[in-house]
Amino acid sequence: AQRVTQPEKLLSVFKGAPVELKCNYSYSGSPELFWYVQYSRQRLQLLLRHISRESIKGFTADLNKGETSFHLKKPFAQEEDSAMYYCAVVQGAQKLVFGQGTRLTINP
Amino acid sequence: DTGVSQDPRHKITKRGQNVTFRCDPISEHNRLYWYRQTLGQGPEFLTYFQNEAQLEKSRLLSDRFSAERPKGSFSTLEIQRTEQGDSAMYLCASSSAGQAYGYTFGSGTRLTVV
Repeated sequence: AQRVTQPEKLLSVFKGAPVELKCNYSYSGSPELFWYVQYSRQRLQLLLRHISRESIKGFTADLNKGETSFHLKKPFAQEEDSAMYYCAVVQGAQKLVFGQGTRLTINP
Repeated sequence: DTGVSQDPRHKITKRGQNVTFRCDPISEHNRLYWYRQTLGQGPEFLTYFQNEAQLEKSRLLSDRFSAERPKGSFSTLEIQRTEQGDSAMYLCASSSAGQAYGYTFGSGTRLTVV
């Protein structure tokens, strides 16, 4: 079964500093990966998907098949980026397998 | 609000009681998912519907759990004979076939079994 590992439960950086949230996956084929975000008192929402190669709110994530990683990066953190971030991989035909999440705190 | 709605938002029940949760997906979404999330963990898959058909169930879904989506619209998740270990946030999500796994999540139902 596919697994997702987010090694950091907590990550704290200063405003304006670069941010990298780590995600490693186990998958034997071509994975489909996502980042979801949950801001305080809000519902879980899709941030970005690797297939789209998009940048959302300044965040990007590159799939590295050699390292089986899909780290989320932002060059300059903002206070409004403080949230829970979940990496997820598609398993089977339909369902997502989530990592345990990383709580990102941006200090002023 | 045209998002995914879940009811109730919170439920406190005594051990051994039955509880039922409801999820109303986005109307044009034919796929509906139930997930469970415990403290410090990511959401865990429970079950999935395409229209009214329940196509997959997790091993996490014991015999005490049952889910339905009778007309391919709203869904219910029932837990019979609740146990303290059932305490969690129960999340519903929906998607359409063309969204390629871009789920829209509801706010969840927080269950506390005392």
